Amino acid sequence: DAKTTQPNSMESNEEEPVHLPCNHSTISGTDYIHWYRQLPSQGPEYVIHGLTSNVNNRMASLAIAEDRKSSTLILHRATLRDAAVYYCILRDSTNAGKSTFGDGTTLTVKP
Amino acid sequence: NAGVMQNPRHLVRRRGQEARLRCSPVKGHSHVYWYRQLPEEGLKFMVYLQKENIIDESGMPKERFSAEFPKEGPSILRIQQVVRGDSAAYFCASSPMDGAYYGYTFGSGTRLTVV
Repeated sequence: DAKTTQPNSMESNEEEPVHLPCNHSTISGTDYIHWYRQLPSQGPEYVIHGLTSNVNNRMASLAIAEDRKSSTLILHRATLRDAAVYYCILRDSTNAGKSTFGDGTTLTVKP
Repeated sequence: NAGVMQNPRHLVRRRGQEARLRCSPVKGHSHVYWYRQLPEEGLKFMVYLQKENIIDESGMPKERFSAEFPKEGPSILRIQQVVRGDSAAYFCASSPMDGAYYGYTFGSGTRLTVV
């Protein structure tokens, strides 16, 4: 599986934007970039995914580098409820099957 | 539209007993994935199933663990002769098809404690 690398932790202030980076230098042309988050004591929750173009939905935006070797999840206005572990994973469109979750980024939001 | 339902939410077993974890996928989803999360660790893939077929069990321990997804009914993850090291949160996810275009929908997990 292609691997992703994320910072262990990040902090943000409430109401401010948050940019969560993810490096995936070995990404292949058929890999989709997916983001999930896990709130304490809950199951992971889908956030957003994309292939090449930037993506927006009601939860977040995904900015994908032109060479696709990195991406950034953008939370436009962080709230206390956004405090979670954020996982960036790659899913191969030709053989999705299992996905490898790394350790993710623990986001702390300060009031 | 109900999401992925897992039960029980919490399960306590003595060493040597069997644990059965159930997962009902989102209605219409025919692909099920099981992940394990040890305390303070990330999610580790265990097994990927479609109806009546195990597609990828590369993450399953070789002994004591088995999984099924019958034609009717929920997917079952079965752990025989549990040991303390099996204590973890077990998450099930489903998707409508196998494809990177589709995201996973996860359940709330079963937290297994072996005493």
